Amino acid sequence: DVKVTQSSRYLVKRTGEKVFLECVQDMDHENMFWYRQDPGLGLRLIYFSYDVKMKEKGDIPEGYSVSREKKERFSLILESASTNQTSMYLCASSLGAGSSYEQYFGPGTRLTVT
Amino acid sequence: AQSVTQPDIHITVSEGASLELRCNYSYGATPYLFWYVQSPGQGLQLLLKYFSGDTLVQGIKGFEAEFKRSQSSFNLRKPSVHWSDAAEYFCAVHTNAGKSTFGDGTTLTVKP
Repeated sequence: DVKVTQSSRYLVKRTGEKVFLECVQDMDHENMFWYRQDPGLGLRLIYFSYDVKMKEKGDIPEGYSVSREKKERFSLILESASTNQTSMYLCASSLGAGSSYEQYFGPGTRLTVT
Repeated sequence: AQSVTQPDIHITVSEGASLELRCNYSYGATPYLFWYVQSPGQGLQLLLKYFSGDTLVQGIKGFEAEFKRSQSSFNLRKPSVHWSDAAEYFCAVHTNAGKSTFGDGTTLTVKP
């Protein structure tokens, strides 16, 4: 089975701190994604990566950056956390770029910025 | 641009009753459609997917969905709901390059 793990289930940070969210997948998937999930807004794509060192902006990239130095690992970075970034963050991976490939999700990181 | 609409924010059904969750999509090309389920405190898990062939697709946990191109719909159904089906359900359309657009989700509550 594909396993996607996220470094923390819960995280509390202060405004202005730099925050790193880590995601690792164990199935050699090409694509990896970061979403944020807010009540009533569904999942919104922040960034995705289709190869090592490659990244593309999603629908809401402002205030975030990403890093993919190794195929299995995709990091989301909040350069200066703000309270409006309090949310659930979900990482996902998929086998390739084809539209038929489903995404496999990690359990999520609930981030609170105070 | 693609979009997905799930008209029902919250649905309550009795255990053993049938279920239908609605999903409407907007996409210019042939859609690749998915239903995912999210149990409390968990990530999303794939229930089923459609991208060609038979318009009625079967998924895990007894779920099925029917693709209707004329109505731009991909509704999820289950003949008899179990208490463990209480969760949030997301419809999604996948585009080229593997990106996805998700609906806002429908929360299912199951009454005993």
